[in-house]
Amino acid sequence: GENVEQHPSTLSVQEGDSAVIKCTYSDSASNYFPWYKQELGKRPQLIIDIRSNVGEKKDQRIAVTLNKTAKHFSLHITETQPEDSAVYFCAAILMNRDDKIIFGKGTRLHILP
Amino acid sequence: DAGVIQSPRHEVTEMGQEVTLRCKPISGHDYLFWYRQTMMRGLELLIYFNNNVPIDDSGMPEDRFSAKMPNASFSTLKIQPSEPRDSAVYFCASRDDAGSREQYFGPGTRLTVT
Repeated sequence: GENVEQHPSTLSVQEGDSAVIKCTYSDSASNYFPWYKQELGKRPQLIIDIRSNVGEKKDQRIAVTLNKTAKHFSLHITETQPEDSAVYFCAAILMNRDDKIIFGKGTRLHILP
Repeated sequence: DAGVIQSPRHEVTEMGQEVTLRCKPISGHDYLFWYRQTMMRGLELLIYFNNNVPIDDSGMPEDRFSAKMPNASFSTLKIQPSEPRDSAVYFCASRDDAGSREQYFGPGTRLTVT
């Protein structure tokens, strides 16, 4: 089955700097890669996703990149702000075959003032 | 829609007691997932249902845990007897069967077993 590894487990960046979170997956057939954000005491919520037919996707200050050959994908946050402080989870799934999303262990992102 | 609803939001119980967590998925969603979140283990999938039928319960830690979905709008996760190591936040999530696989999470139930 699919296995998702996520690094780092904790990340601290200065406000205004960029943050990068990296994930690798094991099943080369996986074709959908969502990212969830969980603020302190709140529920996880989808913030961005990417499908295997594209290499990059952007939404304002966040972007995801996908390298299918290497089986890794990354979340990039630019011009970080205090409200970016949260736990971020990457995930992978093969749509039309699997029902359940396999989540990484999460990255706790701290934005320093 | 009000989103996924979970109750109670907080539960404190003594070891050995039975605990029942409840979830109401978003109307029209075919899938319902139960997760457990701890600092050590992250977000673990316990069980999921499709059209009220349990599909995969391989994540259920042991026989003390059971889950039911008697109809499309209600599910329960029961722990009997509860133990201190069951202390965690339990999330219910639902999604539909069309398009993306986005899961909509409920607010969670914080369980403390003393």
